[in-house]
Amino acid sequence: DADVTQTPRNRITKTGKRIMLECSQTKGHDRMYWYRQDPGLGLRLIYYSFDVKDINKGEISDGYSVSRQAQAKFSLSLESAIPNQTALYFCATSDSTGGPGEQYFGPGTRLTVT
Amino acid sequence: GENVEQHPSTLSVQEGDSAVIKCTYSDSASNYFPWYKQELGKRPQLIIDIRSNVGEKKDQRIAVTLNKTAKHFSLHITETQPEDSAVYFCAAPTRHSGYSTLTFGKGTMLLVSP
Repeated sequence: DADVTQTPRNRITKTGKRIMLECSQTKGHDRMYWYRQDPGLGLRLIYYSFDVKDINKGEISDGYSVSRQAQAKFSLSLESAIPNQTALYFCATSDSTGGPGEQYFGPGTRLTVT
Repeated sequence: GENVEQHPSTLSVQEGDSAVIKCTYSDSASNYFPWYKQELGKRPQLIIDIRSNVGEKKDQRIAVTLNKTAKHFSLHITETQPEDSAVYFCAAPTRHSGYSTLTFGKGTMLLVSP
């Protein structure tokens, strides 16, 4: 789904470095999410934002921060990367009508911290 | 928050057989239950969802059933085909003050052998 894009798609970084993952969407959705996927652990919510002025911690927010620069852009930062943050990261969006509904995922960013 | 358990973690079937994946949830007020399919190297995509005012929903070879009393819901795939091979995730809403996010199960890897 080209409507949700993530950059970079792959990144290798060293322990202690700061890194930013970016997400953009053209779906016009208010709600945006960042998830982390690890083998056998499913999709775990890191942060979510229900509009530009709204930022909330998810299940596993420690070591991460986010910025909602505009309705269409939601960035995830690792202030000081550590090896156990090696994972596949997904951004997702959903609209705000009628309660919980379909989430649209980006293609993912594979991050390796050495 | 919501606790979602998904079983089995892996499932191998022969082409043409049926496959069933089951999820349980903890919040009796949950009212929306989606299933996502993630093919190898791809993003998760919604394949079917059900709301709590119905007990079953079908879409061609896939169906979802919901038992609110027992707090479980299941994905049924009939006449499986090799292209059904993927990881499947269930999810249920986690309530916050005034809105909901989704809590995902840990996933089921389905392998359909020709």
